[in-house]
Amino acid sequence: QVPPVQSGPEVKKPGSSVKLSCKASGGTLSDYVVAWVRQAPGQGLEWMGGIIPLYGSTSYAQNFQDRVTITADESTATSYLDLTSLTSDDTAVYYCARGVALMAATSVWYFDLWGPGTLVTVAS
Amino acid sequence: SYELTQPPSVSVSPGQTATITCSGDALAKQYVSWYQQKPGQAPVLVMYKDTERPSGIPERFSGSSSGTTVSLTVSGVQAEDEADYYCQSADTIGTPVVFGGGTKLTVL
Repeated sequence: QVPPVQSGPEVKKPGSSVKLSCKASGGTLSDYVVAWVRQAPGQGLEWMGGIIPLYGSTSYAQNFQDRVTITADESTATSYLDLTSLTSDDTAVYYCARGVALMAATSVWYFDLWGPGTLVTVAS
Repeated sequence: SYELTQPPSVSVSPGQTATITCSGDALAKQYVSWYQQKPGQAPVLVMYKDTERPSGIPERFSGSSSGTTVSLTVSGVQAEDEADYYCQSADTIGTPVVFGGGTKLTVL
């Protein structure tokens, strides 16, 4: 299995927006869920949100609901993360991950394939 | 918000057994996955559905579940197993992804 290909590093000013991409290699998004997870320097993994491309349905972490939009283009097998109103706290590596949705008490996802990450630096 | 609790660190000598725990109120009802992350690398799935090991993951990795605590056990720890390990599950009100804070496994 080939990891997704993510867009290149970004340097942004505070208050601006960034749009990152994640392209499935040699496959389709339709059979999976796609999540975006970030990791600030020296910190743990933080789920931002995800999408089920087949249905176009999205789920966002409460911390990001006002600032993040996740989309998917099945024709190009690409997912996008749009994050607005950037601050220095958004400096992090942003990973996309391909996953599977299971049903237990409610839906629970897990991720079997991760992209290499995109470094986003927010600085004035 | 829902939280998953992991010990910050676990240390073992080579060849010993390391057990990393993950606790959360909903874990008796939700599946847990585990990820290994080495410095500068993306996470790698090492366990899913509490006890299922993906292909390519060594047999020394195993998972177990008891009530609201799920564990990842590494038997016969090797130097290459030194990494951060994250558990991941979901809450019961519609958030499909919640990560634990991570555990640094140190091989002495």
